[in-house]
Amino acid sequence: EIVLTQSPGTLSLSPGERATLSCRASQSVSGSYLAWYQQKPGQAPRLLIYDTSSRATGIPDRFSGSGSGTDFTLTVSRLEPEDFAVYYCQHCGNSRPYTFGQGTRLEIK
Amino acid sequence: EVRLVESGGGLVQPGGSLRLSCAASGFTFSTYWMQWFRQAPGKGLVWVSIINPEGTLMEYADSVKGRFTISRDNAQRTLFLQVNSLRPEDTAVYYCAKDLVRGASDSWGQGTLVTVSS
Repeated sequence: EIVLTQSPGTLSLSPGERATLSCRASQSVSGSYLAWYQQKPGQAPRLLIYDTSSRATGIPDRFSGSGSGTDFTLTVSRLEPEDFAVYYCQHCGNSRPYTFGQGTRLEIK
Repeated sequence: EVRLVESGGGLVQPGGSLRLSCAASGFTFSTYWMQWFRQAPGKGLVWVSIINPEGTLMEYADSVKGRFTISRDNAQRTLFLQVNSLRPEDTAVYYCAKDLVRGASDSWGQGTLVTVSS
């Protein structure tokens, strides 16, 4: 089972700033099948990025994903007020179980 | 518009059972892999189970294997999760989700809360 560790646990930034969220895997993620989700309180998760760097339908281009092997990054180039939420990375691919990181809380500074 | 609506959650005693349902609309249900996830109160997301479009391949997280069963009725466009031998640690909001590609889910229901308590 792949263990995903996200850092930092909490990130405090202001609107307009750049956010960089990290996800490190305990072993190489085959095919770079890694996804990122955003979750706001009381809501279901929303898919942002899949296959490391592909944006899901309707996701603004200020969200971008990168990485390979064991190190992956979600970048929000210029934070909007609605971007403050919890973000999860997920190991995907053809081997189960799928696992999630513990989440990064992005809060307004 | 893709829509997933879960139902069937509730309060159940340890050792009890529930059948969760997820009604799908707005997409060709019979051609997609479908999944269940859960989230305990104040905690992170956990993958529970996955089923292929034909309903012939099912996989489970170790924590639920042998107790939970995923199934689907493509004619009724409905996904199910039979949850048996429930434990307090199964308390969570259960979400069904449509698989976009290789486990990444692009549509989620609003969730149904399962509370296991005496």
